[in-house]
This record gives sequence, C-alpha cells and structure tokens, in this order.
Amino acid sequence: GAVVSQHPSWVICKSGTSVKIECRSLDFQATTMFWYRQFPKQSLMLMATSNEGSKATYEQGVEKDKFLINHASLTLSTLTVTSAHPEDSSFYICSARDSGGMNEKLFFGSGTQLSVL
Amino acid sequence: SQKIEQNSEALNIQEGKTATLTCNYTNYSPAYLQWYRQDPGRGPVFLLLIRENEKEKRKERLKVTFDTTLKQSLFHITASQPADSATYLCAPHSGGYQKVTFGTGTKLQVIP
Repeated sequence: GAVVSQHPSWVICKSGTSVKIECRSLDFQATTMFWYRQFPKQSLMLMATSNEGSKATYEQGVEKDKFLINHASLTLSTLTVTSAHPEDSSFYICSARDSGGMNEKLFFGSGTQLSVL
Repeated sequence: SQKIEQNSEALNIQEGKTATLTCNYTNYSPAYLQWYRQDPGRGPVFLLLIRENEKEKRKERLKVTFDTTLKQSLFHITASQPADSATYLCAPHSGGYQKVTFGTGTKLQVIP
C-alpha cells in the first residue's frame, strides 16, 4: 500500500528558531499534499494545501510567512515553522493523495510532535 | 458555514457488542464520505469510503451507511474488540481536488 513518510517524529527547539518537517510519498506521486495540525484531544485542523510546482493555499487564519510550505517535487513537501514560539507547539501531520490512482483517499504520515521551549 | 459533527462524548462499549458512531454534516453536498481511524500520536488511517448513490458499504466487521436526506453517516463496528479502541473521524467531500476537512472525531473505548 501507499506509504507517506514524515520526519522528524518529534522535535524540541528553542523559541525563535526554525524547524523543518519533511513529508515524502514513498511509492506514489502526489501532486497535492495537505498539512494539518492537531492539539491534544482535538481534531485535525487543515493548515494548507500544498501543490507541486506552485504556491500553497493557506486556510484562513494561518500565517503563510510563519508556516512556509515548499512542494518542489511530486514526492516531497516540506513545512517550515519559522521563529517558533511555545504556542506553535502541536502535532503536525501531512497527508497525500495518489495522483495516479483513484485519488480520493488520503495517506497520512505518522506525524511530528513539535515542542517549543 | 460548513460543519461536521460527531459524537463529542467518548463512547464506551463492552467487547462483543456493536459500536455505532454518528457523523452529521451541514452546508455540504458531498459526492462521498470517508471514515478514518486515528490512534494516539499517529496519523489517521483510511477505513471506508461511501458514495452519495450508495446506501451502505461493508468491509469485514465494519459497516457504513449514508443518508444524504438526513445529511448523516453512521459507522458500525460489529463484534467489537479492545483493539478497535481509537478515535474515528469522518470526512464528507464534494469530490475533485478540493481540500479534505474532518469532523471532531469520536473516541471509542472497547472494554474487555
């Protein structure tokens, strides 16, 4: 089955630093990837839609200059949290659709737990 | 605005019984609806998809119904097992390349 690899699984950083999270589709091509964040005991909140070769589409209330998304190839999208602050601490999850198949279901990465001190 | 509502309370059920989870949506005209399972600290995993012209879909011990008049989907797990304990998310979708948004999720606890 399709696999989405997300790294790192967890990261601890100091306030003010930037953190990059990678999301790779291992055995399929993904024109579109989605980035979500999830606070404890809450549901997934869509942050942005990442499109290969073009600018990401951000949801209302998500700062595009703070959460930089790059989707430079059909198998890799990255999310960079710039100048991270404690309120950015959250569980970040990426997902992808198989561009070549019945592209309805999403394949998710295992998530990245970010803790900003 | 669009809204997706699931049982906000956790659902506790005895092993062997049937668990029924509800997904209600408003201001959607979904072409299909998906159900996912999420374990703590993990990404969701796809379970089932049901289309607007389907009333019911089954997969092993799982059954999903879809009532576009009531704007509701029900998700059933028969002969529930402790391993079924997880949070279940629904996602109605209009089709095409549009974004996917999820309901609030229902946490299911199957008690041995």
